[in-house]
Amino acid sequence: QKEVEQNSGPLSVPEGAIASLNCTYSDRGSQSFFWYRQYSGKSPELIMSIYSNGDKEDGRFTAQLNKASQYVSLLIRDSQPSDSATYLCAPFITNAGKSTFGDGTTLTVKP
Amino acid sequence: DAGITQSPRYKITETGRQVTLMCHQTWSHSYMFWYRQDLGHGLRLIYYSAAADITDKGEVPDGYVVSRSKTENFPLTLESATRSQTSVYFCASQRDDYGYTFGSGTRLTVV
Repeated sequence: QKEVEQNSGPLSVPEGAIASLNCTYSDRGSQSFFWYRQYSGKSPELIMSIYSNGDKEDGRFTAQLNKASQYVSLLIRDSQPSDSATYLCAPFITNAGKSTFGDGTTLTVKP
Repeated sequence: DAGITQSPRYKITETGRQVTLMCHQTWSHSYMFWYRQDLGHGLRLIYYSAAADITDKGEVPDGYVVSRSKTENFPLTLESATRSQTSVYFCASQRDDYGYTFGSGTRLTVV
């Protein structure tokens, strides 16, 4: 089993819809959780961080964390074509000082 | 300019040659990382560093050497390049429990 599993893609949604990206992780030492967006040919960029159970909202993005279920998700509301990218889930293991990345889910938003 | 810079952006080298990829950050972040990204494997950690003169192996360290004599620099050296090391290499830095900031990447081709 991989340390970080993301929902298999590619994921395609129409413009204006909600895109739901899911991630499960195996290391219970994970304390912080990050979502990165990576456009084709570019480097990953941090878009959301979440540290405690529950929801965290930032504009059109909502991250949800459930540590008991070892599950973290990212919802993108009112999806735009500019949201088309690969999204990487990366739990951070504090006592190890590093993140493990999922393989990513590629999202395509169709106009 | 503040940020994290990698050089070169593109590099073609021959099998058996030594290659050094440079990474420089201007924030004095303690943690720095080297990842490689290949189709089908996602981001894999090569080496990381918690501070100057402190480095540790990641998931795929074989064939690579790192050093960190100054906080701001974290070069990655391929001692004797092989075709399997053809990849995109990303350097990243991290402040405390915040997420990573990635450099623009180095696309390395070993022929």
